[in-house]
Amino acid sequence: AQSVTQLDSHVSVSEGTPVLLRCNYSSSYSPSLFWYVQHPNKGLQLLLKYTSAATLVKGINGFEAEFKKSETSFHLTKPSAHMSDAAEYFCVVIRPWFGNEKLTFGTGTRLTIIP
Amino acid sequence: EPEVTQTPSHQVTQMGQEVILRCVPISNHLYFYWYRQILGQKVEFLVSFYNNEISEKSEIFDDQFSVERPDGSNFTLKIRSTKLEDSAMYFCASRERGGPAQYFGPGTRLLVL
Repeated sequence: AQSVTQLDSHVSVSEGTPVLLRCNYSSSYSPSLFWYVQHPNKGLQLLLKYTSAATLVKGINGFEAEFKKSETSFHLTKPSAHMSDAAEYFCVVIRPWFGNEKLTFGTGTRLTIIP
Repeated sequence: EPEVTQTPSHQVTQMGQEVILRCVPISNHLYFYWYRQILGQKVEFLVSFYNNEISEKSEIFDDQFSVERPDGSNFTLKIRSTKLEDSAMYFCASRERGGPAQYFGPGTRLLVL
């Protein structure tokens, strides 16, 4: 079975400062990992994905995540927060690809940006 | 950019009534999914669908739920007799053959009274 733990339910940062959203995973196999973002009253948008290629993954809107197997982590970072980054962020894991995997979501981290 | 669309955006129904939630996946995608998110809780997998049949379903997806791809573009979730605890945001997602990423629609917020 696979699971993800998002270590912070709520993170607040000032505009222009770095963002760090933490995620640890548990998986019996080498996982694929994703970050999704949900803006208020919007759907889930794929930010970035890790699928066993490069361990440092770049996504949209300046976000990055680094897969660290030794730490079973997949933390999401951004060098400089923007007001439009305020949203809920979900770390997601799936089984190795057999064609029809279900996504397993973390509980989410709400990011607040202070002007 | 292609998107997954869902209708309606909101639905209010009485307990015991049937509801059908509709989704139009991205056109060249072959794998389809339904998830739900009860207010304040995690997003949960309901069902996956490929080649006109269910590939996997969760324990939530009991006999009250069904899915269908009635034509080449729509993908529907039917709840036969809604219960209060079915109130949630329902998300449709789709995936192409070549990659693991699932792309989500904006959701349908279902309220059962």
